[in-house]
Amino acid sequence: SQQGEEDPQALSIQEGENATMNCSYKTSINNLQWYRQNSGRGLVHLILIRSNEREKHSGRLRVTLDTSKKSSSLLITASRAADTASYFCAGSGGSNYKLTFGKGTLLTVNP
Amino acid sequence: EADIYQTPRYLVIGTGKKITLECSQTMGHDKMYWYQQDPGMELHLIHYSYGVNSTEKGDLSSESTVSRIRTEHFPLTLESARPSHTSQYLCASSDPRGNQPQHFGDGTRLSIL
Repeated sequence: SQQGEEDPQALSIQEGENATMNCSYKTSINNLQWYRQNSGRGLVHLILIRSNEREKHSGRLRVTLDTSKKSSSLLITASRAADTASYFCAGSGGSNYKLTFGKGTLLTVNP
Repeated sequence: EADIYQTPRYLVIGTGKKITLECSQTMGHDKMYWYQQDPGMELHLIHYSYGVNSTEKGDLSSESTVSRIRTEHFPLTLESARPSHTSQYLCASSDPRGNQPQHFGDGTRLSIL
């Protein structure tokens, strides 16, 4: 079953604007992780938020987690052209902490 | 960036050939994973390993096989490639403790003619 479902599927903004991506999941999780994927490359881990946390910051990134609504959001502030990439959420569940990925949001930041 | 390497980066090969995709990591991670990703789509877990001599099938059925003879090495093999195997294959590793991120290689883009 799909653990993460991102919204929107694609987002186009101007440099300097903020970008918000949302993720919903279906089953209980140990943590939720966000990754970035540049075209033709592997995934790069951005931030991990545990199920008992509600908000986490890392540089220009802010992640929230609402376990009652089974949803998370990723906010990128003051976006740059270099932030152009696909962003995936992944839920980690069960005793083995396997990840289940959503379809991703394609973010385009225009200079 | 993490120290996990995949070779080859690109492979175009004919139907029926035997293929091995290589994945190596230098972080000493016990856990390793193989994902399949079609363009613009999500990643699907096809194999994982919790250590030497441990291999498990993932959530997506795959005709590929894996082996884990050494901690740092987790190769994926297709005995007889078919056009339906055309995809990107991503390898990842992680620390065995819970609540740890996965570190990904740059992937192998496989095209079967």
